[in-house]
Amino acid sequence: GQNIDQPTEMTATEGAIVQINCTYQTSGFNGLFWYQQHAGEAPTFLSYNVLDGLEEKGRFSSFLSRSKGYSYLLLKELQMKDSASYLCAVSPTTGGFKTIFGAGTRLFVKA
Amino acid sequence: DADVTQTPRNRITKTGKRIMLECSQTKGHDRMYWYRQDPGLGLRLIYYSFDVKDINKGEISDGYSVSRQAQAKFSLSLESAIPNQTALYFCATSEGDRGSKNIQYFGAGTRLSVL
Repeated sequence: GQNIDQPTEMTATEGAIVQINCTYQTSGFNGLFWYQQHAGEAPTFLSYNVLDGLEEKGRFSSFLSRSKGYSYLLLKELQMKDSASYLCAVSPTTGGFKTIFGAGTRLFVKA
Repeated sequence: DADVTQTPRNRITKTGKRIMLECSQTKGHDRMYWYRQDPGLGLRLIYYSFDVKDINKGEISDGYSVSRQAQAKFSLSLESAIPNQTALYFCATSEGDRGSKNIQYFGAGTRLSVL
C-alpha cells in the first residue's frame, strides 16, 4: 500500500527552529513535495526533492533520504505567520503522475 | 486574478440534491484534479484528467462524476448529495510536460455542507 506519516501537531516559539518529519512508503518514487496550508485556504507549494540531500530556500529547507523513505522540512527564524499546516506529499512511479498527500502537520507558533 | 478559480466558494445543500462545483484555470496546464479534504485525513483524490479526452477515477470516486469541458474547465458533480460528502473541495492543476515536477496549483476551495 501507499502510506505517508507525519506528526499531527507541533508547537514552537517565535524565532526558533522547527523540524517537521515525514516518512513514506509508496510504489516507487518520483519526487517528494512539501506544501503549506493556512487554515481555510488552499495549499501552496514550498519545496520539491527528488535526489537525496538538502534543498534550501530562504528560511525553509527540505531534506530527503530515499533509502530511508524519510524527509523533513526545516523552518528557521519562525514567525507567527508560519502557523499553518504543512503537507508532505509523494509522487509514486505507478498510477500516472498522481500525488499522494499526508494528513498534514499543524504547526502552532507562539510568542 | 486567481490562476485557478473555483465556484461557488461555499454551498449548503440538502440530501438528495444534485450539485455541481466548477473549476477554471488560466495557467494553461493540461492536468486537472479534484480533491476533498476532511479533518485528519488530508487531501484525497476524487478524479483527475490529463487532457480533455482523458479522465480517471481517483481513490474516492463513488458518488461523484466529472466533466472536462475544455482544457481550462473541469467540473465536479455530486449526483445525489449525502451528508458524508460534507467537506472542503479543492481543484488543482499541474503541467503536462513529461519532465515536469508535477507541482500542483490549487484553487481557493469550495466548502460544501450537505444537510
